[in-house]
Amino acid sequence: NAGVTQTPKFQVLKTGQSMTLQCAQDMNHEYMSWYRQDPGMGLRLIHYSVGAGITDQGEVPNGYNVSRSTTEDFPLRLLSAAPSQTSVYFCASRPTSRYEQYFGPGTRLTVT
Amino acid sequence: SQQGEEDPQALSIQEGENATMNCSYKTSINNLQWYRQNSGRGLVHLILIRSNEREKHSGRLRVTLDTSKKSSSLLITASRAADTASYFCATDPRAGGTSYGKLTFGQGTILTVHP
Repeated sequence: NAGVTQTPKFQVLKTGQSMTLQCAQDMNHEYMSWYRQDPGMGLRLIHYSVGAGITDQGEVPNGYNVSRSTTEDFPLRLLSAAPSQTSVYFCASRPTSRYEQYFGPGTRLTVT
Repeated sequence: SQQGEEDPQALSIQEGENATMNCSYKTSINNLQWYRQNSGRGLVHLILIRSNEREKHSGRLRVTLDTSKKSSSLLITASRAADTASYFCATDPRAGGTSYGKLTFGQGTILTVHP
């Protein structure tokens, strides 16, 4: 199993551009989440999903959009990038039967 | 806002010594988890303790939970240079008995183990 994969690894955007961060998992996990990590801080939850077609907001959802059309994929869309969205983004998944989450390697995003 | 507060923010020890990290949180929890993050990498789950447990062991890891004080500690015994990493506690909130995986993380402890 590849586990949780994220693409791209690095991205530079200009203010106002849009883009989609990709996340996929091959473990058939129902729950998936997006977090952002800023320097010196822990992770903060952006959006999460408890299954295909079901998503909800986390702690810091503004400026981000998600959808979940399949169990495997959970893309995160930046609608109009702002410098405040410069961060490292992590996708995670977990099965319904266990609590621990499996994290992807992260996407480092810089908005200039 | 961060649910968990961790201390110390940074810890520097010699190989063979024990490392203790503490975490405090604010609201009721279903469980508390500890994760490790090596520099530039994703997080890796270390150990989970449920709200009705007081102590748990896994290899060189020992975690305690005091729900009355809303605090937890992670002890790594006989530290190795390879344990150098950031360590995060994460709380899984109680939501009618169902956990949807909405973890809330502390800001982390940076552990450096010198050979």
